[in-house]
Amino acid sequence: EADIYQTPRYLVIGTGKKITLECSQTMGHDKMYWYQQDPGMELHLIHYSYGVNSTEKGDLSSESTVSRIRTEHFPLTLESARPSHTSQYLCASSEFGRKRTDTQYFGPGTRLTVL
Amino acid sequence: GQQLNQSPQSMFIQEGEDVSMNCTSSSIFNTWLWYKQDPGEGPVLLIALYKAGELTSNGRLTAQFGITRKDSFLNISASIPSDVGIYFCAGKSGYGGSQGNLIFGKGTKLSVKP
Repeated sequence: EADIYQTPRYLVIGTGKKITLECSQTMGHDKMYWYQQDPGMELHLIHYSYGVNSTEKGDLSSESTVSRIRTEHFPLTLESARPSHTSQYLCASSEFGRKRTDTQYFGPGTRLTVL
Repeated sequence: GQQLNQSPQSMFIQEGEDVSMNCTSSSIFNTWLWYKQDPGEGPVLLIALYKAGELTSNGRLTAQFGITRKDSFLNISASIPSDVGIYFCAGKSGYGGSQGNLIFGKGTKLSVKP
């Protein structure tokens, strides 16, 4: 059973607002990820982290930023939200460096709508 | 970059039918994973495969890691209404750097026949 949490689950905001999507995991996993997914479509990796103070950009370019100050916490921030940011954002985590346990477990997602 | 081709894109099932879907890659993978996603939720891991030829079951679900290491199959036997959802395959070619990140297929949407 994966213990990874995302808040809020749903967010509707106006253009230009700054937002932070929260992601926390209690499994002690080193590696964490953020994906962007339009409804019913494939997942696109936008950020990942190998551990504390590590952040990397994913395959899909994103205007969002991330930070990793604590192992269990990996928040995503949009400084100025735009309608093009409307999407579902999924957080995931995995153990890093162990072959058979390096599988990703996902949170429930945050559905973001920017008006 | 690496791409996964997942098929079929969508399919309709009648309760009790068996279902098959597959993924193929343009390059060799060392890990294949199958996830199911319900509307408004995150993907849930169904089966993980780590060795070429490996055949693994999880209840009515069976998945195989292809011998060529470029494909994987998922079968669902005797489908039930709660099998409806989107199934994603995912794979990766390494453990370090960006090769340790998963590449996802575009999903197979399972719906119930009207």
